[in-house]
Amino acid sequence: GAGVSQSPRYKVAKRGQDVALRCDPISGHVSLFWYQQALGQGPEFLTYFQNEAQLDKSGLPSDRFFAERPEGSVSTLKIQRTQQEDSAVYLCASSSTGNEKLFFGSGTQLSVL
Amino acid sequence: EDKVVQSPLSLVVHEGDTVTLNCSYEVTNFRSLLWYKQEKKAPTFLFMLTSSGIEKKSGRLSSILDKKELFSILNITATQTGDSAIYLCADLTQGGSEKLVFGKGTKLTVNP
Repeated sequence: GAGVSQSPRYKVAKRGQDVALRCDPISGHVSLFWYQQALGQGPEFLTYFQNEAQLDKSGLPSDRFFAERPEGSVSTLKIQRTQQEDSAVYLCASSSTGNEKLFFGSGTQLSVL
Repeated sequence: EDKVVQSPLSLVVHEGDTVTLNCSYEVTNFRSLLWYKQEKKAPTFLFMLTSSGIEKKSGRLSSILDKKELFSILNITATQTGDSAIYLCADLTQGGSEKLVFGKGTKLTVNP
């Protein structure tokens, strides 16, 4: 595709609900990253994939957060039993080679009520 | 743990002004420092700096890195209203992890 596509753009969840956020990276991009951006803060690293392998998940804040990229293309970030503190913009980014010229999607804004 | 601090946190200028945004970092095993522009939601890449003292330039924007003093600056000359955005600085460390550590950003507002 022309760019990194994320869906949905906005998601409102009731506390305790499970949510799934989707990322379609640029075609052929090997590296895929998820970041969480709270209001007024910079993005914070969550996890990193190279093809289908999840090489770093050190930023996932709890075991309620789970990410997958089963075929090395589309990725899903799942948050179980959402809490109010999970409210943030979730950004996905991809690149052809590591962190050089990372291309970000427009994010999913998650609001947990 | 790596730390990236940006200043000022916000800045309001008039069109035509020149601005300097600052980024200091405390990292182990430094590899690169990157600048991004964030309008609305998606950050877009501006510069990647690896070597000290070499200025990178793109139009009215330029950036330089000082690895001895552990900081970088982003300059924007003859600012335009379209430069209004959040400017993010991030560091990338050596050692296998590909994660970027971002600062909080500088929110620049350029008034006509």
